[in-house]
Amino acid sequence: DIQMTQSPSSLSASVGDRVTITCQASQDISNYLNWYQQKPGKAPELLIYDSSKLETGVPSRFSGSGSGPDYTFTISSLQPEDIATYYCQQYDKLPLTFGGGTRVEIK
Amino acid sequence: QVQLVQSGAEVKKPGSSVTVSCKASGGTFSSYAINWVRQAPGQGLEWMGGLIPAFRTARYAQKYQGKITISADHVTSTAYIELKSLRSEDTAVYYCARGGNVDMATPFTHWGQGTPIIVSS
Repeated sequence: DIQMTQSPSSLSASVGDRVTITCQASQDISNYLNWYQQKPGKAPELLIYDSSKLETGVPSRFSGSGSGPDYTFTISSLQPEDIATYYCQQYDKLPLTFGGGTRVEIK
Repeated sequence: QVQLVQSGAEVKKPGSSVTVSCKASGGTFSSYAINWVRQAPGQGLEWMGGLIPAFRTARYAQKYQGKITISADHVTSTAYIELKSLRSEDTAVYYCARGGNVDMATPFTHWGQGTPIIVSS
């Protein structure tokens, strides 16, 4: 199974700050990497797919990059509505696997 | 407009079984794989398995082999997951999720609302 190591597990930042989350796969996943946002009590929502493509309707302050086993998710200017837990997920091979999640809070 | 609507919360006794349903609307049911994702209380997301309705082919994470059965009813456009021999550790929210093509390995663009299953004596 492909292991996904996501960091940090939590972070606190101010409104307007740039926020970065990293995700490292245990092997090359060829950009088959998604990022999801999950708010408390809600189902996850897809933000980024194929490591850097923005899902329709997602604000442009969200972005993704990376290659091989290493990927980054960025919120360019943190907004109050971005408070949530973010997960990376690889879909290069079954079983599909998720990172452990990053809880983002407002300082 | 694609929608996945899941069955409601359940409280079950240890050792029993439970079946969660996921009714799809919008789009052709057989054309898209349905996946099931588990989230234990305060924990992250875990893929359990998926089904390609067109091929009636299910794949399971090794951890869940023998524990779950995923199936689908094409007439009602509904997918199911049966969990057997329930234990307290199976207490979780169970989500169905679908992507944009027939492959299980695809971004999950649509999710059900989640079904809480509580296992307690």
